[in-house]
Amino acid sequence: AQSVTQLDSHVSVSEGTPVLLRCNYSSSYSPSLFWYVQHPNKGLQLLLKYTSAATLVKGINGFEAEFKKSETSFHLTKPSAHMSDAAEYFCVVSQTGANNLFFGTGTRLTVIP
Amino acid sequence: NAGVTQTPKFQVLKTGQSMTLQCAQDMNHNSMYWYRQDPGMGLRLIYYSASEGTTDKGEVPNGYNVSRLNKREFSLRLESAAPSQTSVYFCASSEAWGARRNQPQHFGDGTRLSIL
Repeated sequence: AQSVTQLDSHVSVSEGTPVLLRCNYSSSYSPSLFWYVQHPNKGLQLLLKYTSAATLVKGINGFEAEFKKSETSFHLTKPSAHMSDAAEYFCVVSQTGANNLFFGTGTRLTVIP
Repeated sequence: NAGVTQTPKFQVLKTGQSMTLQCAQDMNHNSMYWYRQDPGMGLRLIYYSASEGTTDKGEVPNGYNVSRLNKREFSLRLESAAPSQTSVYFCASSEAWGARRNQPQHFGDGTRLSIL
């Protein structure tokens, strides 16, 4: 069975400081993993996706995520937070053999000026 | 490019009323999905359509029906609305179901539904 745990419901950082949003997954097989971002009153936008080709995945807007199989983690990072990064972030795992997605409960990122 | 378009954006219903939420995508995607988003619970899959002509239940299908009208359109119907169905509803689409992994889903902006 597939599941996702986002370890922090809310993260607050100062503008210009690093961002770390933590995600642990559970999957019976090699998973497909995604990070989505949701700005207020908007739909979800794909930030990045994990393919088996590389464990360090680069996404849009300077975000990266590293797949660590031994730790079953897929944490999202960004070196320097921008005010426009304030949003809700979802870690998502895909069921093998299908395109059904399982969402974490989300992490709300606040960026302090 | 419009992507995934949902109508209406907002709606208030009374308990027992019926309503259909509309969704259309212009990306020629095969698969379409309906989710609901509730505070602290992420998104939960209501129904999906792997391809035109097929529909299947997701995690929380009770109280809903769907119709895949054609390849572009996938509607969600509440036959007799209940306060527990107050939520934000998202439609999504993707290229394929199962054939290839790592297919991202593309989301609409949501329909905010309140049932009194």
